Amino acid sequence: EAGVTQFPSHSVIEKGQTVTLRCDPISGHDNLYWYRRVMGKEIKFLLHFVKESKQDESGMPNNRFLAERTGGTYSTLKVQPAELEDSGVYFCASSQAFRVHNSPLHFGNGTRLTVT
Amino acid sequence: LAKTTQPISMDSYEGQEVNITCSHNNIATNDYITWYQQFPSQGPRFIIQGYKTKVTNEVASLFIPADRKSSTLSLPRVSLSDTAVYYCLVGDNNAGNMLTFGGGTRLMVKP
Repeated sequence: EAGVTQFPSHSVIEKGQTVTLRCDPISGHDNLYWYRRVMGKEIKFLLHFVKESKQDESGMPNNRFLAERTGGTYSTLKVQPAELEDSGVYFCASSQAFRVHNSPLHFGNGTRLTVT
Repeated sequence: LAKTTQPISMDSYEGQEVNITCSHNNIATNDYITWYQQFPSQGPRFIIQGYKTKVTNEVASLFIPADRKSSTLSLPRVSLSDTAVYYCLVGDNNAGNMLTFGGGTRLMVKP
């Protein structure tokens, strides 16, 4: 099966610009997650979709970040306007079921965002 | 969320067995222990998961003592390609995969 794909793999933008990251989960996976690692720190949870609904967005850093999953398929994460501290790697993951047991996360290879 | 503690780094040689221990003293009844592996420029990849005792798959074994306050990931006969960061995570089965990653253990396999 095709894995989780993310686009673009790299993005370099200037402070104040807008960037949209895309994630295509594994087909049939209702659960989609966004994580990120900034400035060499630990990977942090951002939010969780179940189909098109936001189940948990407690990890979203501020209102400059907007995640959508229209139709419950692919998801986008928009950063507007981008700030220097947003630089990092943004990972998307999907899982078949909501529970942890027997439903591990499948991660994409991430989008490396650099804000200059 | 249960917090985990792992060694920051470990070195090994090809062909050796590697054991990475993770502490999770405040693990809860509904928590499962999951290990992920991450190579540079890639996302984390699921290795193994367990609740108690021993779990084995084609890649690794996971040993969990009765009190579940720690777990040990065992990699048999490592190769150079096993050089990676290994993360131990503890997640509430009823709360979904909103997992908390720690710093992980950076394993370096030498020839």
